[in-house]
Amino acid sequence: NAGVMQNPRHLVRRRGQEARLRCSPMKGHSHVYWYRQLPEEGLKFMVYLQKENIIDESGMPKERFSAEFPKEGPSILRIQQVVRGDSAAYFCASSPEVHSLNTGELFFGEGSRLTVL
Amino acid sequence: AQSVTQLGSHVSVSEGALVLLRCNYSSSVPPYLFWYVQYPNQGLQLLLKYTTGATLVKGINGFEAEFKKSETSFHLTKPSAHMSDAAEYFCAVISYSGGSNYKLTFGKGTLLTVNP
Repeated sequence: NAGVMQNPRHLVRRRGQEARLRCSPMKGHSHVYWYRQLPEEGLKFMVYLQKENIIDESGMPKERFSAEFPKEGPSILRIQQVVRGDSAAYFCASSPEVHSLNTGELFFGEGSRLTVL
Repeated sequence: AQSVTQLGSHVSVSEGALVLLRCNYSSSVPPYLFWYVQYPNQGLQLLLKYTTGATLVKGINGFEAEFKKSETSFHLTKPSAHMSDAAEYFCAVISYSGGSNYKLTFGKGTLLTVNP
């Protein structure tokens, strides 16, 4: 039973390029969360998506960042025109349904580590 | 809004010593609280959770935590540290923003070092 799969695990981009991070939730999970981790800052919520819907994007920067979770395929976090401050670890987590989140846990991937040169 | 504060960004203990990692919460409603562990270059793994019922909850790897409403605390403990416990630990609380909008809000983490 595969867990949450994120790729790439490591990504290097130059300033101004685009970064695309992919997340395949656990089988049967229809809720996806993206978090960003910076040293000594913990995990910061970015966006919560269900299939084809953005539920909460209150943690997303207003510009350059976007996320989607299509009916088919993985969730994508897209960062356009990356800057050095975007360097971080980006984690995806999934949950099977709202009820589970209300009483239980999120299942995390191993993260995608973005380095912007 | 719900939030958690972890006291101490870095805790160092000797192997075999008591581990105590502190977490205080702020919530206007009964909180659902979690502890997660992160090993280097890995994702987060659930250690334990408190939702309702017994205030002392036991988790994996010998960890436990006690929910104390009077102190708004949910500290994580383990009687005897093992070298393999060295990791970063995150306290988290469910934040609810209406409708079906639930998410986990994390503390800044506590890095646990275990010395031989």
